[in-house]
Amino acid sequence: DAGITQSPRHKVTETGTPVTLRCHQTENHRYMYWYRQDPGHGLRLIHYSYGVKDTDKGEVSDGYSVSRSKTEDFLLTLESATSSQTSVYFCAISERGNEQYFGPGTRLTVT
Amino acid sequence: DQQVKQNSPSLSVQEGRISILNCDYTNSMFDYFLWYKKYPAEGPTFLISISSIKDKNEDGRFTVFLNKSAKHLSLHIVPSQPGDSAVYFCAASEWGYQKVTFGTGTKLQVIP
Repeated sequence: DAGITQSPRHKVTETGTPVTLRCHQTENHRYMYWYRQDPGHGLRLIHYSYGVKDTDKGEVSDGYSVSRSKTEDFLLTLESATSSQTSVYFCAISERGNEQYFGPGTRLTVT
Repeated sequence: DQQVKQNSPSLSVQEGRISILNCDYTNSMFDYFLWYKKYPAEGPTFLISISSIKDKNEDGRFTVFLNKSAKHLSLHIVPSQPGDSAVYFCAASEWGYQKVTFGTGTKLQVIP
């Protein structure tokens, strides 16, 4: 299995609070991704990174920001959490950008 | 606009029989296709892939077929086993492109 961890694994937070999710890899892969999984929508890309300090938006990026200051860490921040951001969040890594390897997920509940 | 479609949300198959999961795509620029398997409370795991220069790729019990003219691919699992019960995601990308587009998933149940 690819060395990829996510923290926290579960979080409950209140509407309007900031939340940061962390993804950490030990594979030295260039590409890192954040997805959310929701019923009926599959996996939707939030943001991705193609190198340190190089990031770009995915299809559902509104309300989210990311940062990558080191190869191994990719942070996803919800500046002001809303109930619509209740979801399961997955981080993924890839060496070439096609075959991606996923972390275990973070279940976020915004009340 | 759903560029990768999995029109069957669920599928039930008897153990030992063939499971066929289908996927359609609309973007003619897609030339690399992947299948992922996901168990509850775990992240998706890569299963098998195929590039557009092939029409079939096989890995053990898993075979992916690609019909470019129909913009259709399918995953065959033979024989199906109870441990194959999971959600299967179809995904597509342009080769060398950093982003992958996922379908909505098909939940496979293999009945012992």
